[in-house]
Amino acid sequence: DIQLTQSPSFLSASVGDRVTITCRASQGITSFLAWYQQRAGKAPKLLISTTSTLQSGVPSRFSGSGSGTEFTLTISSLQPEDFATYYCQQLNSYPLTFGQGTRLDIK
Amino acid sequence: QVQLQESGPGLVKSSETLSLTCAVSGGSISRWFWNWIRQPAGKGLEWLGRVYINGNTNYNPSLKSRVTMSVDTSKNHFYLSLTSVTAADTAIYYCATGDRALDYWGQGALVTVSS
Repeated sequence: DIQLTQSPSFLSASVGDRVTITCRASQGITSFLAWYQQRAGKAPKLLISTTSTLQSGVPSRFSGSGSGTEFTLTISSLQPEDFATYYCQQLNSYPLTFGQGTRLDIK
Repeated sequence: QVQLQESGPGLVKSSETLSLTCAVSGGSISRWFWNWIRQPAGKGLEWLGRVYINGNTNYNPSLKSRVTMSVDTSKNHFYLSLTSVTAADTAIYYCATGDRALDYWGQGALVTVSS
């Protein structure tokens, strides 16, 4: 199985901050990486597919980059609604796997 | 806009079989793969597997031989069956689908395994 390790696991930041979450894969996954946002009590929401494709309706302050084994999700200017948990997922090979999550809290 | 809705018993006895249905609306079930994911309380996401309309499946080996997924195109439903459940199977179960990733998710169904 491909292991995904997110860092940090917990992040405290303020509105307006720029934050970056990293997702490292145990082996190469080309560009088949997605990012999800999960608010408390809700289902995950797809933000970015294939490393950097922003989903329709997702604000442009979200961006993704990377290749191979290292990927990042960047939020350029945090808004109050962005405080949530973020997960990466690899869709390169079975079983599909998720990172352990990064919880983003208000400082 | 594709919408998904999970349904099934919220309480299952230990050693019995967990069965869930995902109803698909707003789109044809004859496209994409149809996935099940679960999330224990306060923990991360675990992909359980996926099924395609032709019956092809891919399962997470962590579930060994306990899991079966199927699809009924006439009803626009797909299904999850998990046998010999234990307390470790207590979780919110989500159905999800999409093109290059999991674009669409159900709201989730909490299943508790009781002893």
